[in-house]
Amino acid sequence: DAGITQSPRYKITETGRQVTLMCHQTWSHSYMFWYRQDLGHGLRLIYYSAAADITDKGEVPDGYVVSRSKTENFPLTLESATRSQTSVYFCASREGHGGYGYTFGSGTRLTVV
Amino acid sequence: GEDVEQSLFLSVREGDSSVINCTYTDSSSTYLYWYKQEPGAGLQLLTYIFSNMDMKQDQRLTVLLNKKDKHLSLRIADTQTGDSAIYFCAVPQEEAGRRALTFGSGTRLQVQP
Repeated sequence: DAGITQSPRYKITETGRQVTLMCHQTWSHSYMFWYRQDLGHGLRLIYYSAAADITDKGEVPDGYVVSRSKTENFPLTLESATRSQTSVYFCASREGHGGYGYTFGSGTRLTVV
Repeated sequence: GEDVEQSLFLSVREGDSSVINCTYTDSSSTYLYWYKQEPGAGLQLLTYIFSNMDMKQDQRLTVLLNKKDKHLSLRIADTQTGDSAIYFCAVPQEEAGRRALTFGSGTRLQVQP
């Protein structure tokens, strides 16, 4: 299916565990982003990527790791999950030059217990 | 960095007009966006405006942009109960080629029958 898909949709994990959230897009968009959404904060940027093998930190990168070996995939890993990382995570993509539209995935609701 | 502010809550009666306001700090953005989020759902692009425009109308939606005051507003005419949602103003961060969106905290629109 064309679009941007995130998996899993819901995840419950224990404190200290490593967990990876997946994001896949089918348009070959250059830019990809990870946001977290918390009540009262809107969406905050965790990491972004301008192209394969090019990633950089956003506003709230601590405790997260990303990679982008292929243009279409942009996984987000929580190396050692903490309760403060309980949130809804959104992946997004946009075209490179000349593009203006940002498209968001459906989100992953992560609960750390 | 970019700062985007919105009021948190707006309540209107069905059939009235709703006006959601947003202020931002970075004047270099090419496009400015409004997203809608229904309960438990992802973000849906509602509309956008190019920075050289003052106004854009799309059916029941009117976007007004005052670049001098860095003020963006979204007007929904004939508001319906189905318009109840959270509305986010989003402005791209253009510095260093980041191209990530900075979001306001979101305005929760409640439409009373």
